[in-house]
Amino acid sequence: DQQVKQNSPSLSVQEGRISILNCDYTNSMFDYFLWYKKYPAEGPTFLISISSIKDKNEDGRFTVFLNKSAKHLSLHIVPSQPGDSAVYFCASNSGTYKYIFGTGTRLKVLA
Amino acid sequence: DAGVIQSPRHEVTEMGQEVTLRCKPISGHNSLFWYRQTMMRGLELLIYFNNNVPIDDSGMPEDRFSAKMPNASFSTLKIQPSEPRDSAVYFCASTETVNSGNTIYFGEGSWLTVV
Repeated sequence: DQQVKQNSPSLSVQEGRISILNCDYTNSMFDYFLWYKKYPAEGPTFLISISSIKDKNEDGRFTVFLNKSAKHLSLHIVPSQPGDSAVYFCASNSGTYKYIFGTGTRLKVLA
Repeated sequence: DAGVIQSPRHEVTEMGQEVTLRCKPISGHNSLFWYRQTMMRGLELLIYFNNNVPIDDSGMPEDRFSAKMPNASFSTLKIQPSEPRDSAVYFCASTETVNSGNTIYFGEGSWLTVV
């Protein structure tokens, strides 16, 4: 039973355009959400997070939106750059040690 | 400041051999995790330590897997004997304390191939 789902395994976007990566969760107890970026042969690196008391968090080109009623979060990257090409994981947490990860979306930004 | 440090980065071993993976968490972090990443199952939690004590090892696949944390700055994950199906990337991660709002930080991973 996957509590965190990333239904799009891959996404291609033209350089300069917006990339939107989506994540759905099922557990209403989750109250903290994170996005990680992973390059090949490297570990996941933390990108941005959001608490359930907010519906938006922005950091430079990266913005995460949270829709609690729909149990949905999304990561927007604007403008997309070739260096953003990586696998993106969303993760959820409910204040315990259990961080539940999605299966990842591979983003390819085309130059 | 140094991140989570793992070794070896790559390991190729023969079936039946013992494999030991090592991890040094970020200084000051008292929570440590071992994850395994495979194509089929994604990132799965193997074991979680808090203040060097194993709290949850329910993710350890079999008795062939064991993990220790003898002190706050070192942990090992051992597979004995190793099997081809253990081939995966093993990540160590740490965080200050596990409550909402804390980010976990990953090492670069140990890429294990058992032939």
